[in-house]
Amino acid sequence: QVQLVESGGGLVKPGGSLRLSCAASGFTFSDYYMSWIRQAPGKGLEWVSYISSSGSTIYYADSVKGRFTISRDNAKNSLYLQMNSLRAEDTAVYYCANYGRTWFDPWGQGTLVTVSS
Amino acid sequence: SYVLTQPPSVSVAPGQTARITCGGNNIGSKSVHWYQQKPGQAPVLVVYDDSDRPSGIPERFSGSNSGNTATLTISRVEAGDEADYYCQVWDSSSDQGVFGGGTKLTVL
Repeated sequence: QVQLVESGGGLVKPGGSLRLSCAASGFTFSDYYMSWIRQAPGKGLEWVSYISSSGSTIYYADSVKGRFTISRDNAKNSLYLQMNSLRAEDTAVYYCANYGRTWFDPWGQGTLVTVSS
Repeated sequence: SYVLTQPPSVSVAPGQTARITCGGNNIGSKSVHWYQQKPGQAPVLVVYDDSDRPSGIPERFSGSNSGNTATLTISRVEAGDEADYYCQVWDSSSDQGVFGGGTKLTVL
């Protein structure tokens, strides 16, 4: 059974950094493209970033470009999101998800990032 | 950037049919996907590629896409269908994922 488990969320001050992780199991991680998607409290879904199976192709939402870095370690079945220069508007639950041909399925349970002084 | 527009809310009585729309410029030329999100839970894919259902999703969930509007149709609505629903496309012109603002389905 496919399982995605995010970790690394927490409280961080504006301007600070945080690294999220997503541990994958139940499928051949190195075969799949992956994405991060976030949801601010009480708000809708916002796509954040995408990485190809080999890591050679990466895309970012305009709102995080230059501040966030997506990466993966296929040997460790893990996806990462390095978040720098965090802002209050980055406060959200961050989900990792498999990226299908153009859809996201399945999703992890999410990890909450709170940016506040 | 590409924009998807959904109605904030839709209400329907049990047993009736709910239709949730997703508007976008020439959205009929794109593949549209739909997600269901219940409170406190992660989103779940219910329709992909306009009208296909993942395994385990009831046949009551169906989709269509033409022109400037895609539609998620839920037949014989049940209380358990009450949730937020989001449409999504991949905008290949900007290489970015795009979600609609979401629609809260209320079962009366």
